[in-house]
Amino acid sequence: EDKVVQSPLSLVVHEGDTVTLNCSYEVTNFRSLLWYKQEKKAPTFLFMLTSSGIEKKSGRLSSILDKKELFSILNITATQTGDSAIYLCAVERRNAGNMLTFGGGTRLMVKP
Amino acid sequence: NAGVMQNPRHLVRRRGQEARLRCSPMKGHSHVYWYRQLPEEGLKFMVYLQKENIIDESGMPKERFSAEFPKEGPSILRIQQVVRGDSAAYFCASSLLLQTNTGELFFGEGSRLTVL
Repeated sequence: EDKVVQSPLSLVVHEGDTVTLNCSYEVTNFRSLLWYKQEKKAPTFLFMLTSSGIEKKSGRLSSILDKKELFSILNITATQTGDSAIYLCAVERRNAGNMLTFGGGTRLMVKP
Repeated sequence: NAGVMQNPRHLVRRRGQEARLRCSPMKGHSHVYWYRQLPEEGLKFMVYLQKENIIDESGMPKERFSAEFPKEGPSILRIQQVVRGDSAAYFCASSLLLQTNTGELFFGEGSRLTVL
């Protein structure tokens, strides 16, 4: 059975801090790892990672995958209160459509 | 272009009643997925449908749960004889392709079911 474990479970920081969120996984026939941000509503897509060592970047967010050690990290620099959300990591198998296996999420709170 | 539309957003049912959750995918999307999110947990895959076909229902409980995606109209997730443990947020997602190159699976805002 595929497994995704995220850490920490929750995190409280102050604006301007940098945070690193972790995601480790075990999956058969790995295709990709995805990060989503979930505020009070729908999860919204952040990154899709398929290759080791290649950093994906979007503004203050960046992510990288290590397929040998089976983990990914999501970095957020200069955090803002609007970054407060649950960050979800998911893995996708080859030939399995979008039937993703999600981790339990990291709940990030950014205080002013 | 409207996103994935789910209704109702909130649904309250008493034990033993039926719950029907509806999902209209994004325009042009023929792949629909239902996920369930229990309190303080991540999303769990339930079922994957295309028009008039259930492709994979490996995440669906064996009893009381069913899903359909008819030729016309929204996809429906139906829960019969609800129990308190069914209380959760049910998210629908849609995609254009079977496996997208960008990983973008578009989620609706969810239907929050509360069973009293």
